[in-house]
Amino acid sequence: DSGVTQTPKHLITATGQRVTLRCSPRSGDLSVYWYQQSLDQGLQFLIQYYNGEERAKGNILERFSAQQFPDLHSELNLSSLELGDSALYFCASSPGGEGRNGYTFGSGTRLTVV
Amino acid sequence: AQKITQTQPGMFVQEKEAVTLDCTYDTSDPSYGLFWYKQPSSGEMIFLIYQGSYDQQNATEGRYSLNFQKARKSANLVISASQLGDSAMYFCAMREDNAGNNRKLIWGLGTSLAVNP
Repeated sequence: DSGVTQTPKHLITATGQRVTLRCSPRSGDLSVYWYQQSLDQGLQFLIQYYNGEERAKGNILERFSAQQFPDLHSELNLSSLELGDSALYFCASSPGGEGRNGYTFGSGTRLTVV
Repeated sequence: AQKITQTQPGMFVQEKEAVTLDCTYDTSDPSYGLFWYKQPSSGEMIFLIYQGSYDQQNATEGRYSLNFQKARKSANLVISASQLGDSAMYFCAMREDNAGNNRKLIWGLGTSLAVNP
């Protein structure tokens, strides 16, 4: 157990639907990162939050949004889902100042859009 | 632009032998960190080893070592005494330290390693 908890582990949904992925960071970590891993694009950074505030955005679609709550857990909302959104979505956390063991990953949520 | 290149899509190694997985990177930032992660078929991402751009020594973590050649911008992972459980995808990733508030990781496409008994 890495200390980063992602739920659900698997999600199957239809095109056009909306889903929410949840991440609880490792205890004490203030930063949360979301990554998308797909077969054609590899691992892509989506968004970073630090202590409740958005810190950086990557290749995140407008149909996707995220937030980090006061208890530091984070949610990634994916709407108007398309087949191409099928991927493994990772959450990672870090204390803030990244160093040698700076990023701890959750086990991922595998999203399948049918 | 920052980039990570892993030129070996797939590698085979005999059990108990050593294997080197290649990684080259491109950055104009003088301060950066390089990471290797292992992703078994179960999907989780497991941290293996880290090398800072200013570290004088090559990083080692048990059977893992990082052959860091800064001038060549390469950060190859060496796994000694391969085990069957080492069969997995291996990703090289980089973090730039002067990218403002953004501490994202930039990833290579990975190398699939198969350890043969």
